[in-house]
Amino acid sequence: EIVLTQSPGTLSLSPGVRATLSCRASQSVDSKYLFWYQQKPGRAPRLLIYGTSNRATGVPDRFSGSGSGTDFTLTISSLEPEDFAVYFCQQFSSSPRTFGQGTKVERK
Amino acid sequence: QVQLQESGPGLVRPSETLSLTCAVSGGSVNRAYDHWNWIRQPPGKGLEWVGALDYRGSTSYNPSLQSRVTITAATSKNQFSLKLTSVTAADTAVYYCARERVEGHFRGGRRVYTNYGMDVWGHGTTVIVS
Repeated sequence: EIVLTQSPGTLSLSPGVRATLSCRASQSVDSKYLFWYQQKPGRAPRLLIYGTSNRATGVPDRFSGSGSGTDFTLTISSLEPEDFAVYFCQQFSSSPRTFGQGTKVERK
Repeated sequence: QVQLQESGPGLVRPSETLSLTCAVSGGSVNRAYDHWNWIRQPPGKGLEWVGALDYRGSTSYNPSLQSRVTITAATSKNQFSLKLTSVTAADTAVYYCARERVEGHFRGGRRVYTNYGMDVWGHGTTVIVS
């Protein structure tokens, strides 16, 4: 099983700054099958990015994804108040589907 | 617009079977080439994939749960279900169903597939084992 390790665990930032979230895989992931989700308290996760770098429908362009192989990144170019949440990466390059443990982006 | 709604008991006794259903509206569990997933989230923790069913009825499960989990579809009702046997307190979680959208198209004489991720989620249902 591919283990996804996200870092940092918590990111304390102010609105307007750039956020960079990392997702490292225990073995190579086909970039077509790397996804990012956002989750707010008490809510279901929301798909942000599919195929490493493609924004899902309705996702603002301040969210971008990049990476290949074992290292992937989600970048939020300028944090808006509604972006403070937990972010998960997920892979389906090989079964079973696995999620990272999450990065919490909190307001400084 | 596809919508999903989980339902089932909120309280299950230890050693018994957890049974949940996900009703699909605005779409079809038969839609090629989608996958229908169950994901759970223990209190204060991350997401754990439980298993999935594809449009043909083929299943795949998390190896850590494989001996206890079954996912089936009721196509006439346009819903899919999760059964988890011999539950313990460790199975206490919010359980989500989610559609994983997959599109197939021909390119260069071959069918290729694009996985658009888990783009539709239910609101989640809390199951407590106690």
